[in-house]
Amino acid sequence: GAVVSQHPSRVICKSGTSVKIECRSLDFQATTMFWYRQFPKQSLMLMATSNEGSKATYEQGVEKDKFLINHASLTLSTLTVTSAHPEDSSFYICSATPLAGVTEQFFGPGTRLTVL
Amino acid sequence: EDQVTQSPEALRLQEGESSSLNCSYTVSGLRGLFWYRQDPGKGPEFLFTLYSAGEEKEKERLKATLTKKESFLHITAPKPEDSATYLCAVQKGSSNTGKLIFGQGTTLQVKP
Repeated sequence: GAVVSQHPSRVICKSGTSVKIECRSLDFQATTMFWYRQFPKQSLMLMATSNEGSKATYEQGVEKDKFLINHASLTLSTLTVTSAHPEDSSFYICSATPLAGVTEQFFGPGTRLTVL
Repeated sequence: EDQVTQSPEALRLQEGESSSLNCSYTVSGLRGLFWYRQDPGKGPEFLFTLYSAGEEKEKERLKATLTKKESFLHITAPKPEDSATYLCAVQKGSSNTGKLIFGQGTTLQVKP
């Protein structure tokens, strides 16, 4: 149980294009989903928290117009990196928390974004 | 300021050589402390949750303990497949989002 998937696992795009990453909870409904980025040999940095049907809450320093988050249902959240630039290249990981009563976050396998 | 510090940053062990990883935290009102394992190029894999001082949890060769200031992840007779980065994270009781504050991780290498 508690499986989270991400798609795509890897994406390479040209500078200036937009990229959408999907995060799905496969066997549970997620009240909250989180988006992290991770640079090489560094820990996870929380970008934003999203709840189904409401606007995402972004961490300080994260541009909400650049990193668009949509939490369309209790099993799906998407992160769109708009007008991507090489400095946006990173490992993006989502996590999800099941419905009330469970505090653990379960993580997806991550998406490696490379912007040329 | 809320802070999570893991030590050492890196640890090399011979197969069978037991050791401990440390996670020190300063947060106001701890709801839970979490241990994850992360392999290169993959997302973190959940290991344990600890909620109160004195609590202990075990899984195979791993045992996690918690005090009011720190947590230890004890690895008994490690095998090469235990090589990974181990992440510690805390969740504040006052958080209504379940946000986790992560440490920098300890990268463990177990040599055969």
